[in-house]
Amino acid sequence: DAGVTQSPTHLIKTRGQQVTLRCSPKSGHDTVSWYQQALGQGPQFIFQYYEEEERQRGNFPDRFSGHQFPNYSSELNVNALLLGDSALYLCASSFPELSYNEQFFGPGTRLTVL
Amino acid sequence: AQTVTQSQPEMSVQEAETVTLSCTYDTSESDYYLFWYKQPPSRQMILVIRQEAYKQQNATENRFSVNFQKAAKSFSLKISDSQLGDAAMYFCAYRPGGGADGLTFGKGTHLIIQP
Repeated sequence: DAGVTQSPTHLIKTRGQQVTLRCSPKSGHDTVSWYQQALGQGPQFIFQYYEEEERQRGNFPDRFSGHQFPNYSSELNVNALLLGDSALYLCASSFPELSYNEQFFGPGTRLTVL
Repeated sequence: AQTVTQSQPEMSVQEAETVTLSCTYDTSESDYYLFWYKQPPSRQMILVIRQEAYKQQNATENRFSVNFQKAAKSFSLKISDSQLGDAAMYFCAYRPGGGADGLTFGKGTHLIIQP
């Protein structure tokens, strides 16, 4: 059973560019959450997708947008990249019908903005 | 807004000894979940243990146990018989009840295991 997968592993972009990160959830999971983890910090919640809709959003600007596909995979898009967007981007999948709604994390995509 | 505080940036313990990592949180909710996640240098975040706020009994998973003090809003993690493979960043996380919300994480504690 494949766990959560993310692509690419690493990415280097320059300021002002746009980037798309991809996530495939664990088999059987229908909800995908995205987190940003700056160096030396804990992950910060960006948003969550369920049934192809953004269900909840953290304190991130509109430059951060997402999408969920019918097969539950998801994309995170960041426009007009800033140096401060450099971070590890984590995707987590879950099955909310479970009471504790455990989130399973992928290995992350390391984004460097120059 | 909920906050999670981990006051120990780094902890060190001898192999086979016991170590306790601290976590406090702030919330006005009565129904919520608390988690400890482990992030080894390979980066993949792994759930170590979880606690439902409505349960008075402290959760235990093999060598890992928690001390959940709801009134004090404290949620510490005890690792017994520490092993070299326990070396990692440990994050305390909070989620309100209801199933739809993202996790709020603390800044993490870097655990070093001395052989």
